[in-house]
Amino acid sequence: DAKTTQPNSMESNEEEPVHLPCNHSTISGTDYIHWYRQLPSQGPEYVIHGLTSNVNNRMASLAIAEDRKSSTLILHRATLRDAAVYYCILRDRALRGSQGNLIFGKGTKLSVKP
Amino acid sequence: GAGVSQSPSNKVTEKGKDVELRCDPISGHTALYWYRQSLGQGLEFLIYFQGNSAPDKSGLPSDRFSAERTGGSVSTLTIQRTQQEDSAVYLCASSLYPADSTNNSPLHFGNGTRLTVT
Repeated sequence: DAKTTQPNSMESNEEEPVHLPCNHSTISGTDYIHWYRQLPSQGPEYVIHGLTSNVNNRMASLAIAEDRKSSTLILHRATLRDAAVYYCILRDRALRGSQGNLIFGKGTKLSVKP
Repeated sequence: GAGVSQSPSNKVTEKGKDVELRCDPISGHTALYWYRQSLGQGLEFLIYFQGNSAPDKSGLPSDRFSAERTGGSVSTLTIQRTQQEDSAVYLCASSLYPADSTNNSPLHFGNGTRLTVT
C-alpha cells in the first residue's frame, strides 16, 4: 500500500477551522483517500473519503490536490469533541481479498483548546 | 441503529490462561475485521472474514491466536496461553461490502476489549 505522511500533532482553538494535512506522494490512480478519527477510549470512526474531487459531508470536508499527492481534512468549526487522533489512509479499490483492509499509521493527534 | 458490539469491554487474565473475545457486527454486514492496538500505537491488522470464504489470517502474530465467525455473524477471537505482550485493546470492525469492493464501504468499529495479562 502507498504510504501517507501526517504531522504527529496539531493544536486548534475551539470554534476555529482546522486544516489537517496528509501527504501521499506515491498514490496510485486506484487509491481512494480515507480519513478516520479515534476519540479517547473509543474505536476509530469513519469521517470521509474521496478519489479525485473535493468531498463534503456533515462531519468535514476533504480537499484533494489536483495531482492527488496531498489532501487536507477540514473541520469547519472545531469543538472540544473533535479532539482525537486523525488517520489518513489510502485504500486501493483494485485490490483483491483482504488487501483492501485499512492500514493505519500513527495519525495526527489534534488538541482543541477552549 | 445498533453499532458493532464487543464483549467484554475489559478483561484481566493471568499469564498462561486462555481468553475469548466476542464481536457482534452490524446486522447485514458481510465483512468482519479484527485489529489490535497496543498502548500509544497504531492499529495492527489481525484477521479478515468475508462471507463463506476462507478467512485471511495473515495478520495473526502467532499460532496462539485464532478466530472464527459463526453463521456469518458473531465472531470470537481466542488467545491461548496468554503472554504479557498480548496486552492491548482488541478492536472489531464490520463493513457492508467486502474489502475488495469498489463500493469502498467504510469500516464501523466497536469500542474494543481492553486485555490485560498479568
